[in-house]
Amino acid sequence: EPEVTQTPSHQVTQMGQEVILRCVPISNHLYFYWYRQILGQKVEFLVSFYNNEISEKSEIFDDQFSVERPDGSNFTLKIRSTKLEDSAMYFCASRAKRVGANVLTFGAGSRLTVL
Amino acid sequence: GIQVEQSPPDLILQEGANSTLRCNFSDSVNNLQWFHQNPWGQLINLFYIPSGTKQNGRLSATTVATERYSLLYISSSQTTDSGVYFCAVESNFGNEKLTFGTGTRLTIIP
Repeated sequence: EPEVTQTPSHQVTQMGQEVILRCVPISNHLYFYWYRQILGQKVEFLVSFYNNEISEKSEIFDDQFSVERPDGSNFTLKIRSTKLEDSAMYFCASRAKRVGANVLTFGAGSRLTVL
Repeated sequence: GIQVEQSPPDLILQEGANSTLRCNFSDSVNNLQWFHQNPWGQLINLFYIPSGTKQNGRLSATTVATERYSLLYISSSQTTDSGVYFCAVESNFGNEKLTFGTGTRLTIIP
């Protein structure tokens, strides 16, 4: 079964450092998402991406965050200057979004720890 | 935006018991998914069920879209069923994203 692949699985960084989380969505999918989950809390939407541009972003997704699809396979989330409160699990998701194929498939997550 | 409430927040059961988890949502939806978050934090998709009933082994789900709720049934619970179960919905009105509920933490005791 096709998978969404995320790297790294766990990253520890110092406050103020830049972090890039990488995702390889399912190959024929056109819609891409990032979500985050702070420990013990619910999963929150960050940003959606379609046709090489941001479709929607949440209040959490401020100027410190950016997304990019640098080539035909990768989808990245960059945090420019990490803060302690950025510590969370970050999930990438993708879907085809057509009749009969509307399921969002999530990756296994990247756990970010900011010290 | 759409509101998603799950109940109960916590559920502790003996192995072999059956359980029902509920998800209420505030608007009409075109997508509803149930997820199981395992102890490693992975979100495992259980069902895509914007309406109707589906079954997969010991798990089944029913969504009554007109009444804005969905139920997840787990029969003959096993310890591996432990974890957090999330319902996530996508509203019919504009926003093309899933909004998650707060989850039900299920603990199965041997």
